[in-house]
Amino acid sequence: GIQVEQSPPDLILQEGANSTLRCNFSDSVNNLQWFHQNPWGQLINLFYIPSGTKQNGRLSATTVATERYSLLYISSSQTTDSGVYFCAASGAGSYQLTFGKGTKLSVIP
Amino acid sequence: NAGVTQTPKFQVLKTGQSMTLQCAQDMNHEYMSWYRQDPGMGLRLIHYSVGAGITDQGEVPNGYNVSRSTTEDFPLRLLSAAPSQTSVYFCASSPYLAGIDTGELFFGEGSRLTVL
Repeated sequence: GIQVEQSPPDLILQEGANSTLRCNFSDSVNNLQWFHQNPWGQLINLFYIPSGTKQNGRLSATTVATERYSLLYISSSQTTDSGVYFCAASGAGSYQLTFGKGTKLSVIP
Repeated sequence: NAGVTQTPKFQVLKTGQSMTLQCAQDMNHEYMSWYRQDPGMGLRLIHYSVGAGITDQGEVPNGYNVSRSTTEDFPLRLLSAAPSQTSVYFCASSPYLAGIDTGELFFGEGSRLTVL
């Protein structure tokens, strides 16, 4: 099945800083999503982005399917951005979404 | 709209006991799935379903059973609990674009299971 790798595994930011999280995947995808797991354990959809670029407030994401990676940008980070960010992908013809191991983000005031 | 609802939120079992984790969604989604989350492992797919009467295995199906008799419900059964099944379990659903992909996935709040 498809392999999903995320980097960096851990990231500490000062409030107000910008960051870029990366997701590499091993095969062509028909589904790629970014999620945020908050410190209470809730998993929240950020982006459904098998290709192209999307923006939602301070967050944006870009997937370059031909080069098999996706990037999540967080600008002007806030303490509420802390948590774990997961990338998940499924390959063509598959209904099994595979998750990466996540990037743990800590934003300090 | 309640979205995806999981019960119970917390459960403690003894080795060998059986139990069912309930999952219900009110979004008329065709696709439903169960994941387990363990420290350092991310989320791993246990079972999934693309519609009523259709289920399939994911990455870690051993020790778990599922059925899908209605569009709304997708229960996960542990037949004989083992300490290795101590985990946080998440149910998820999506609109399922038939022949294309699963669509955008929406998660329940999770169920924390401890097996002693």
